[in-house]
Amino acid sequence: EVQLLESGGGLVQPGGSLRLSCVVSGFTFGSFAMNWVRQAPGKGLEWVSSIAGSGSSIYYIDSAKGRFTISRDNSKNTLYLQMNSLRADDTGIYYCAKYDVVRGFQYWGQGTLVTVSS
Amino acid sequence: DIQMTQSPSTLSASVGDRVTITCRASQSISNWLAWYQQKPGKAPKLLIYKASSLESGVPSRFTGSGSGTEFTLTISSLQPDDYATYYCQQYNNYPRTFGQGTKVEIK
Repeated sequence: EVQLLESGGGLVQPGGSLRLSCVVSGFTFGSFAMNWVRQAPGKGLEWVSSIAGSGSSIYYIDSAKGRFTISRDNSKNTLYLQMNSLRADDTGIYYCAKYDVVRGFQYWGQGTLVTVSS
Repeated sequence: DIQMTQSPSTLSASVGDRVTITCRASQSISNWLAWYQQKPGKAPKLLIYKASSLESGVPSRFTGSGSGTEFTLTISSLQPDDYATYYCQQYNNYPRTFGQGTKVEIK
């Protein structure tokens, strides 16, 4: 059974930092690209970042460039998102999602809530 | 960036109704389109991939069609478990982009 479990969310002041983690099981982690997707309260889904299985290719949404860093540790089956210089509009639920080249975002975690507020 | 536009934004329908949601891409994405279902407080769930392929375990009342820039998701006979928000997403280009969502409500 495929499982993805996010953690690391919480309340942070504007300008602060958080590191999200996503621990996965049930598939060969290093063979698949992974993604972070967020959802602001009451809003739609927004893709944030992707990383290839080897970590060799990385992509970000424009609003995350220079502030967020995606990484992975294939020996620990764990995906990360380091978020710096956080802003109020970064508030939302952050989901990690396994990418399949044919199926797209095939499996999702349950999400972790990030709240940026003073 | 490729813009994905869904219509309608909200849809009211009764159990047993045939429901159709449309998704338009601002440029061709071939058939690299997925549909997701999201219920309140839950993560999205993959329904359809490559525009028309049904994900394993998804009921056959869900069908997807289209290619290029025009896509549809059809629910042949709406069931109580289908009341949710549906999103289309293109995975042909970066940034990956989602439609704004279509909420299917009880009529």
